[in-house]
Amino acid sequence: AQTVTQSQPEMSVQEAETVTLSCTYDTSESDYYLFWYKQPPSRQMILVIRQEAYKQQNATENRFSVNFQKAAKSFSLKISDSQLGDAAMYFCAYGRTGTYKYIFGTGTRLKVLA
Amino acid sequence: DTGVSQDPRHKITKRGQNVTFRCDPISEHNRLYWYRQTLGQGPEFLTYFQNEAQLEKSRLLSDRFSAERPKGSFSTLEIQRTEQGDSAMYLCASSPPGGGQFFGPGTRLTVL
Repeated sequence: AQTVTQSQPEMSVQEAETVTLSCTYDTSESDYYLFWYKQPPSRQMILVIRQEAYKQQNATENRFSVNFQKAAKSFSLKISDSQLGDAAMYFCAYGRTGTYKYIFGTGTRLKVLA
Repeated sequence: DTGVSQDPRHKITKRGQNVTFRCDPISEHNRLYWYRQTLGQGPEFLTYFQNEAQLEKSRLLSDRFSAERPKGSFSTLEIQRTEQGDSAMYLCASSPPGGGQFFGPGTRLTVL
């Protein structure tokens, strides 16, 4: 069975600095997707970034980028120039191609310090 | 608003009562998903539909839970004979054929 592990329950970053959130996963599939979702307090989940496993190039969305290491089954999220609005729970998710059923990690709470 | 909507946003019920939640997906999204999220955890998959067909159900979905998606549009999730362990946030998401799920705001259920 597929699993997703986020080993950092909480992280802090100074405003304007860079922070990296870790995620590892386990799967025997070769074709899948990985995602980072942001869930602000009492608000709905928002897709931050998406990575297709067949692509070697790391995905980038403005200040958000990933380091996808397929052999190591690692998928970390880097947030550059952190802003107060980045404070939220961040969930890493695995989606198997075809069903797109997602398996989520337990989340990392990111605090941004002014 | 063109996002995923869920109703109600909050539901408080007494143990043993039945509750029903509704999810309206983004128009033309053929896949619809239900997840359950408890405090401090990530969402857990419950079930999903492709159009009106329910294609997969999690072991988490006991016999007291039933989901429908008539006509492949909105979906309902019913919990019968609620238990305190059912207290959670119930999330709905939809996705187009190419994938990428968009989540609704969730329905927070409290069972007293």
